Order: sequence, then structure tokens, then C-alpha cells
Amino acid sequence: EVQLVESGGGLVQPGRSLRLSCTTSGFLFGDFAMNWVRQAPGKGLEWVGFIRSKTYGGTTEYAASVKGRFTISRDDSKSIAYLQMNTLKTEDTAVYYCARALMWFNYGPFDYWGQGTLVTVSS
Amino acid sequence: EIVMTQSPATLSVSPGERATLSCRASQSVSSNLAWYQQKPGQAPRLLIYGASSRATGIPARFSGGGSGTEFTLTISSLQSEDFAIYYCQQYNNWPPPFGGGTKVEIK
Repeated sequence: EVQLVESGGGLVQPGRSLRLSCTTSGFLFGDFAMNWVRQAPGKGLEWVGFIRSKTYGGTTEYAASVKGRFTISRDDSKSIAYLQMNTLKTEDTAVYYCARALMWFNYGPFDYWGQGTLVTVSS
Repeated sequence: EIVMTQSPATLSVSPGERATLSCRASQSVSSNLAWYQQKPGQAPRLLIYGASSRATGIPARFSGGGSGTEFTLTISSLQSEDFAIYYCQQYNNWPPPFGGGTKVEIK
């Protein structure tokens, strides 16, 4: 059974950092691109960024709203994807989901999602 | 950057009735369009990809159509568990935005 479990969320002050983890199981993690999507309270879905599989270079792309502040990485030996969030702003407050892209795809469609982890940026 | 526009924002439908949701792209995305369902407190679930292919385990009452810039999601006979918010997403071009969502509510 495919599972994705996010962790690391919580309350953080503006300007501080936080690292989220997406621990996966039930599939060959290294074969898939992994994405992060967020949802502000009461709002819609916003794609944050993704990391390609190592087969395709393991490179990353980010939404303009987080580029330069957020970094996605992966540890294929542990089947974990990470989202390092620096210089956090109040507008980064959201539930953060990790999502697996379909095989051979990068930033969609997403066939498996984690349950999400809430990040609250507030002083 | 492509903009995805969904309409209507809210759709009031009676159980058993047909619901048709629309999604428009600001430029062609070919057939690289997905639909997701999200219920309160839950993660989104993939319903349709490639504009018209149902994801694994999705009931046949869900169908997708369209290509280029105009897409539809049709639920042929609404069940109680179908009342939710539906999002479209294009993945033809980077970045891959989602639409603003359509809330399907009980009439």
C-alpha cells in the first residue's frame, strides 16, 4: 500500500525556518518525482515545487512565491522528501501536502497525497 | 504563466442529478489536465487525468472531457459522498497551477 506521511509542521515566527519531511512507503520512491502543494486556511490549492527523480537529474523547480526561500530535496535511501522553508512569512501559513506524480510525469497529475501538515507563521 | 479558471464557483445539485463543472485554461494545455476531489479535512484525491482517463478506483459516474483550453467534469448521478470541492490542474506547462475550485453542494 502506497503511503505518504508529512511531519515537521507547527507554529513558527516570521523570518524563521522549518523543515518538513514526507516519509513514504509502498513504492519505489526513487522512480518518482515528488511535489509539495499547500493550502492556506479556507483557500484553494497552490503548487509549491517539485523534485525530479535521480534518473532525470534530481533537479528542482519552484513557484515564484517561494523561489529563493524554499528548497526541496530527497533521500532515496530512506524514501523521504524534504521541504526546507527559510525566511518564512505570514502568508506561508497553510497545510502542506506532499504528493507523488504519476510515473513518467513531474508536476502532475498527483495520484497519491499525504494527509498534510499545518504550518502556522505568526509572532 | 497559464491561468486556470473554474466555473461556477458553487453548484447546487440534488442527489441523483447530473452535475457539469467547467475548467478553462488561458492557453492550450493539450490534454494534460487533471481533476481532483477534496472533502473537508482531507487531502485531494485524483479523479481524472489526461482530461478523460479515470484514476484507479474512481467510479464510472465521473467522466472528463475536452482538450486545448476547455474542459468539463461530469458527475452523471450525484451520490451523497460526491458533495465536495473539485479542482482542475494543468500539467502541460510549468508552473502547473490549479483552478480556484468548484464547490458542489446539496440543493
